[in-house]
Amino acid sequence: QKEVEQNSGPLSVPEGAIASLNCTYSDRGSQSFFWYRQYSGKSPELIMSIYSNGDKEDGRFTAQLNKASQYVSLLIRDSQPSDSATYLCAVMNTGFQKLVFGTGTRLLVSP
Amino acid sequence: DAGVTQSPTHLIKTRGQHVTLRCSPISGHKSVSWYQQVLGQGPQFIFQYYEKEERGRGNFPDRFSARQFPNYSSELNVNALLLGDSALYLCASSQGPSGVAGDGYTFGSGTRLTVV
Repeated sequence: QKEVEQNSGPLSVPEGAIASLNCTYSDRGSQSFFWYRQYSGKSPELIMSIYSNGDKEDGRFTAQLNKASQYVSLLIRDSQPSDSATYLCAVMNTGFQKLVFGTGTRLLVSP
Repeated sequence: DAGVTQSPTHLIKTRGQHVTLRCSPISGHKSVSWYQQVLGQGPQFIFQYYEKEERGRGNFPDRFSARQFPNYSSELNVNALLLGDSALYLCASSQGPSGVAGDGYTFGSGTRLTVV
């Protein structure tokens, strides 16, 4: 079992729709969860972090965390073509100070 | 304020050679981590340094080594390069060791290493 799992996609949504990206993790001791966006050929850019169960909203982005189900998700409302990128889920266990990344989900937003 | 800076941006090396990659963290950040990202995969953890001490090491061979300097900049060294070492090498900085303070890691633009 991979430590952090994501569907590789591509996830295709039309402009203006809601994109839903999902991630599961295996380490129950994980404390911090992050979503990074990575454009082709570029480095990852932090877009959301979440530490407590529930929802956290920031503009068009909402991160959701369910520690009991070991599940993290990212919703992107009013998707734009500029949102087309690979979205990386990353999980950190504070016992060992490293980020464990999933393989990423490629999102394609069509005009 | 400057972000995380990495040099060089691109590098081509021959198998068996040695390479040194450099990273300067965001001002005030004391933690530097190194990640390797192979095409189509997520970044893989190599090392973390905090206050000049190694805090963690990923599952990489001893050919990989790193250090952090008093000004918190860092070097990643790779000896006896293999074709499989071709990847994007990312440096990330954070204020504290856990990455939670300051809300996560900030990545530099990376060094694209090609081994031929």
